[in-house]
Amino acid sequence: DADVTQTPRNRITKTGKRIMLECSQTKGHDRMYWYRQDPGLGLRLIYYSFDVKDINKGEISDGYSVSRQAQAKFSLSLESAIPNQTALYFCATSDSTGTSSYNEQFFGPGTRLTVL
Amino acid sequence: KQEVTQIPAALSVPEGENLVLNCSFTDSAIYNLQWFRQDPGKGLTSLLLIQSSQREQTSGRLNASLDKSSGRSTLYIAASQPGDSATYLCAVRKVYNFNKFYFGSGTKLNVKP
Repeated sequence: DADVTQTPRNRITKTGKRIMLECSQTKGHDRMYWYRQDPGLGLRLIYYSFDVKDINKGEISDGYSVSRQAQAKFSLSLESAIPNQTALYFCATSDSTGTSSYNEQFFGPGTRLTVL
Repeated sequence: KQEVTQIPAALSVPEGENLVLNCSFTDSAIYNLQWFRQDPGKGLTSLLLIQSSQREQTSGRLNASLDKSSGRSTLYIAASQPGDSATYLCAVRKVYNFNKFYFGSGTKLNVKP
C-alpha cells in the first residue's frame, strides 16, 4: 500500500463549486504539505502543517483553506473553485523527529483538478 | 527569495549515454537539496538528498553533487536506459526557513532505445 494517498485522483468541477481534496499518510510523519503544479512553473506551496494545531500559509494560499483532522490526515478545500485553479495537486509529508529520513519529503500520487 | 532553475527544460539522449542534469539556486544559504523523479500522471519519487555539509550522494547509477558557493547541483545518470525517461526536479530547503521547499520547474528526459 502507498504511504501517502490522495483522493480523488481526478476531478472535474464547475466554477463556483466547493471542492475538497484529501490526503492520508501511514508514514507517521508530523509534517504535511499541499502543493500545486502548473506546466512550466514547478511546484508551489499552498499550505503546510507541522502538527494538528499548527497550520501555515504557503506562497499561494489565496482561494484555498486546509484542515488537519489528525496527524495522518490533511485536507485542502477550494471554497469557490475558479478555472485558474486547474492544476495538479500534491500532498507531501516529512518527518522532523526521525533520523534517516529527516528533512526528506515524500509525495502522494497527485490529484488532477479541472475547473470548467 | 530563493529561485531554482533547471536547464535544459528537455533533453533527449540515446540509450547508454552518460548524462548530467543541472540545478541552479540563487541563495547559497541552503539546508539541503533534494532530487526527485516524476513520471507522467504520477507523484514525485525521491532520488537523492544532499545535506548542505555534503558534496555528493550516490545511489546506484545516480550521483548528485552540490556546490553551494556557485549555487549549483548536478545529477549524473550513468549508462542511461529508456526506463530513466521522466521529469527530474530539484528542490532546495533554506537554512533560515527550512520548513519550505523551493522547486525548479524540472528537466524532461527522454532516453531513446
